[in-house]
Amino acid sequence: DVPLVESGGGSVQPGGSLRLSCAASGFTFSSYYMSWVRQAPGKGLEWVANMNQDGSETYYVDSVKGRFTISRDNAMSSLFLQMNNLRAEDTAVYYCTRDGAAPFDYWGQGTLVTVSS
Amino acid sequence: QSVLTQPPSESGTPGQRVTISCSGGSSNIGSNYVHWYQELPGAAPKLLIYRNAQRPSGVPDRFSGSKSGTSASLAISGLRSEDEADYYCATWDDSLSSYVFGTGTKVTVL
Repeated sequence: DVPLVESGGGSVQPGGSLRLSCAASGFTFSSYYMSWVRQAPGKGLEWVANMNQDGSETYYVDSVKGRFTISRDNAMSSLFLQMNNLRAEDTAVYYCTRDGAAPFDYWGQGTLVTVSS
Repeated sequence: QSVLTQPPSESGTPGQRVTISCSGGSSNIGSNYVHWYQELPGAAPKLLIYRNAQRPSGVPDRFSGSKSGTSASLAISGLRSEDEADYYCATWDDSLSSYVFGTGTKVTVL
């Protein structure tokens, strides 16, 4: 039972843009902080960004500030990540996660983003 | 480069106890809860331990966590072949205003 389903990944050239989506189900989406976490091929986990319940607070890792924007639609139980000016080092599997009793208590299956010329 | 340091690998035979360390600083582990995640081969990570020592429902009590000062540990007792995985610690860093993950530890069951 995986209540988080990501989509929107793909291949893009450096400098390009992608918008990731995450569809949530099985819990009251509007009651939880949500995060994006990524994992570069063969590397460890890296937290990317999170957003509070009503979207009024956002936090980002320094490496994506000014390029990535996290957003949510509580009516649609959906989380988004707009990624602009993509770089090769942004290549990774991007996971949508819920912040419940602990950060990242539920994970989606991930969507692969490849930035290459 | 992560601010949380873990050993790259640990190993043990079935039934043994394995301990994974996670070393940080005063702005992260020293002032916030530590959480642990298990990443089985080919699968998304899964929450294993939260708030230093709490186990989510369904996690066997063979897994235990602890924290002291600016370090934390994950112990796996009664090691089983299905415990072969990568393990990551994580916490909030007050100085960075971001979550940080450990470098990750690969556990091998010999």
